[in-house]
Amino acid sequence: GAGVSQSPSNKVTEKGKDVELRCDPISGHTALYWYRQSLGQGLEFLIYFQGNSAPDKSGLPSDRFSAERTGGSVSTLTIQRTQQEDSAVYLCASSRTDGGEQFFGPGTRLTVL
Amino acid sequence: SNSVKQTGQITVSEGASVTMNCTYTSTGYPTLFWYVEYPSKPLQLLQRETMENSKNFGGGNIKDKNSPIVKYSVQVSDSAVYYCLPCRYGGATNKLIFGTGTLLAVQP
Repeated sequence: GAGVSQSPSNKVTEKGKDVELRCDPISGHTALYWYRQSLGQGLEFLIYFQGNSAPDKSGLPSDRFSAERTGGSVSTLTIQRTQQEDSAVYLCASSRTDGGEQFFGPGTRLTVL
Repeated sequence: SNSVKQTGQITVSEGASVTMNCTYTSTGYPTLFWYVEYPSKPLQLLQRETMENSKNFGGGNIKDKNSPIVKYSVQVSDSAVYYCLPCRYGGATNKLIFGTGTLLAVQP
């Protein structure tokens, strides 16, 4: 596609429910990144993929967070048993190569009630 | 703790020049990316700067280096949040740490 897309754009869920956030990177981009942007906070790095592999998962805030990428393309960020503090905008970005310019998606705004 | 520091907010009048700081500590020689977030728009790349080699930095590590960006004759439309990101090629295997962001407010 023309750019990075994310879905849904907005998600409201109840505390304790699981949510899945999707990211479609730019075709041909091998690296994919997930960030979290909370109100009043900066950009918090969560995880990155090179191809289908995630070399470093230590940025994930807790074991309720997981992510996968299949076919070197689409990625899904899953949050289990959501908590109110998970409320944030979740941003996805992709780059042609590891460490290259990142192209950002519009984000998914998650609200946990 | 975030090892990439930026000034929190800068407010200026149109036509002014603005320097936005980015102070970071790094192993190796990163490329410094600046991203800008305009209201209701996705982050986008503003500038990329490749750091020079070790002879200019005296070794393999960079500590508390400030690499500012300067914008001249700013307009109201430049009002946005500006983030810096020091990033080594192959360094995405380490956590990518964006700066805390500078909110630039340009008043007419």
